[in-house]
This record gives sequence, structure tokens and C-alpha cells, in this order.
Amino acid sequence: EMKLVESGGGLVQPGGSLTLSCAASGFTFGSYEMNWVRQAPGKGLEWISYITGSSSTIYYADSVKGRFAISRDNAKNLLYLQMKSLRAEDTAVYYCARDLRVAGVRWFDPWGQGTQVTVSS
Amino acid sequence: EILMTQSPATLSVSPGERATLSCRTSQSVGSNLAWYQKKPGQAPRLVIFGASTRATGIPARFSGSGSGTEFSLTISSLQSEDSAVYYCQQYTNWPPLTFGGGTKVEI
Repeated sequence: EMKLVESGGGLVQPGGSLTLSCAASGFTFGSYEMNWVRQAPGKGLEWISYITGSSSTIYYADSVKGRFAISRDNAKNLLYLQMKSLRAEDTAVYYCARDLRVAGVRWFDPWGQGTQVTVSS
Repeated sequence: EILMTQSPATLSVSPGERATLSCRTSQSVGSNLAWYQKKPGQAPRLVIFGASTRATGIPARFSGSGSGTEFSLTISSLQSEDSAVYYCQQYTNWPPLTFGGGTKVEI
């Protein structure tokens, strides 16, 4: 069974830092591109970052560029999201998702169950 | 950035009835559109990819159609377990990859 499990969320003060992890199992992790997506309370889904299997290409949403860093350890089947200079508006459930592509069509599957990040004093 | 507009925001439907959800994109995305089902406290679940292909394990009552800038997700005979928020996502002109604002389906 393909599975993604996030961890590392919690309560952090504004301006603080946090690192999220996503543990992958059931598939050859290093062969797939990965993403982080978040959902703020009462809001929709927001894509925030992407990384290729080799880590050669990385993208960020403007809302987190310069503050968040995505990385991966293919030997450990782990995806990371380092978050710095956290703001109240970063409060959300953070999901990791595997990126799939066939004949130019792309989608996310599976997704993890999410980890809650709360930025508050 | 491609803007995604979903309508209606909320859809109230009786069990067994048909529900049609709409997603419009500000630029053509061809067939590069996916639909996800999101229930409270659960991971998003892929429903449709490539605008019209059902994901593994998704019941046949779910169908997707459209191309270019106009797409729809139809649930032919609503079941209680279909109550959720449904999001469309485009993956053509990115970054950023964008999602629609969601349609809440109430049974």
C-alpha cells in the first residue's frame, strides 16, 4: 500500500521555525516528484512547494518563497519542509502529496493525512 | 497565474439525486485538470485526473468532463458518503499550481 505520513507539526511563535517530515512507503520514493500543500482554517487547498526526484528542480509559491525550503532524503524515503520566519497566516494543516504524470497529464496521489502547524504567541 | 473558479460554492442535494459541479479556468489547461474529494480530518482523495479518468477505487457514479477552460464533475446518484468539499486543480501552466476554491456537497 502506498502511504505518506507527515509529522513535525505543532505550536510555534511568530518568527519561529519548524521542520516537517513526510515518510513515504509502498513505492520507490526516489523515482517520484513530491509536493507540499496546505489548508488554512476555513480555506481551500494551497500548493506551496515542489521537488523533483533528484532534487534538481524546486519550486515555491510566492507566499512562502525565501522562508520555506523543501528537501528530500531518498535513502530514508523522507521529504522535508523547513519553515522559517513563520507568520500567523502560515497556520494550516500541511499535506505532502506524490506527483504523478502520464502523457503530459499530472495529478497528486496519494496524499498524507496532514500535520497541523499553528503560529501563535 | 491561472485562476480557478468553482461553482456553486455549496450544493445541497438529496440522496439518489444527481449533482453537477463546475470548474472554470482563466486560461486553457487542455485536459490537465484533476478533481479531489476532501472530508474533514481526512487526506484529500483523488477522484478524477486528465479531466475525465476515474481514479482507482472511485465508484462509477463519479464522472468528469470538459476541456480547455470549462470542466464539470458529475455524481450521478448521490450517496451519504459523497458529502465532502470537492476541489479542481490545474497542472498546465505552473508554477504556481492552482486549486479552485472548492464546492461543498451537502446531502
